Amino acid sequence: EAGVAQSPRYKIIEKRQSVAFWCNPISGHATLYWYQQILGQGPKLLIQFQNNGVVDDSQLPKDRFSAERLKGVDSTLKIQPAKLEDSAVYLCASSSRLSGNTIYFGEGSWLTVV
Amino acid sequence: GESVGLHLPTLSVQEGDNSIINCAYSNSASDYFIWYKQESGKGPQFIIDIRSNMDKRQGQRVTVLLNKTVKHLSLQIAATQPGDSAVYFCAESVEYGNKLVFGAGTILRVKS
Repeated sequence: EAGVAQSPRYKIIEKRQSVAFWCNPISGHATLYWYQQILGQGPKLLIQFQNNGVVDDSQLPKDRFSAERLKGVDSTLKIQPAKLEDSAVYLCASSSRLSGNTIYFGEGSWLTVV
Repeated sequence: GESVGLHLPTLSVQEGDNSIINCAYSNSASDYFIWYKQESGKGPQFIIDIRSNMDKRQGQRVTVLLNKTVKHLSLQIAATQPGDSAVYFCAESVEYGNKLVFGAGTILRVKS
């Protein structure tokens, strides 16, 4: 079974520029998550989707971050404009009730804002 | 709560010894707990989970212990191997997988 796929793996941008990350969850997983992991810390949930609907986006900085999952499969996370403190790894994860709700993570997209 | 800073606690063990990684969780209402392993440059990898109606669960070479009285979780790794070297995170949830909150992480270093 293929895992959670993310791209790009690495991105360096200047502050005030924009960036977009893409995620393809495990096939059949209805729930998709975006986490932000700052160096030396545990991942922090940004947004959770159930199919194409948002379940929780309470910790998403909505003035600059946006995410969508239009067809209930792939998802895109966008940051515009980026700030220095957005430098982090952006992890996509997915889960399914049929798989016991275990959350599986992708390898992450590493963002450096300079 | 959330972790701060770059100074994660480190556990150094000799290859072949048993490892015990501890975690104090924050929310007494949490009913589901997971241990993840994260190797350098990779995403967190599921190791083992436990629900609040249990106090012990065993997997292959790993055991998770839950003490709800003192809000403490531990991960025991038997016969630790060099491949076990990684950062280990505990995570808690009040909604069985939803709204997962991660702890600060512990670095495990295995000496050959």
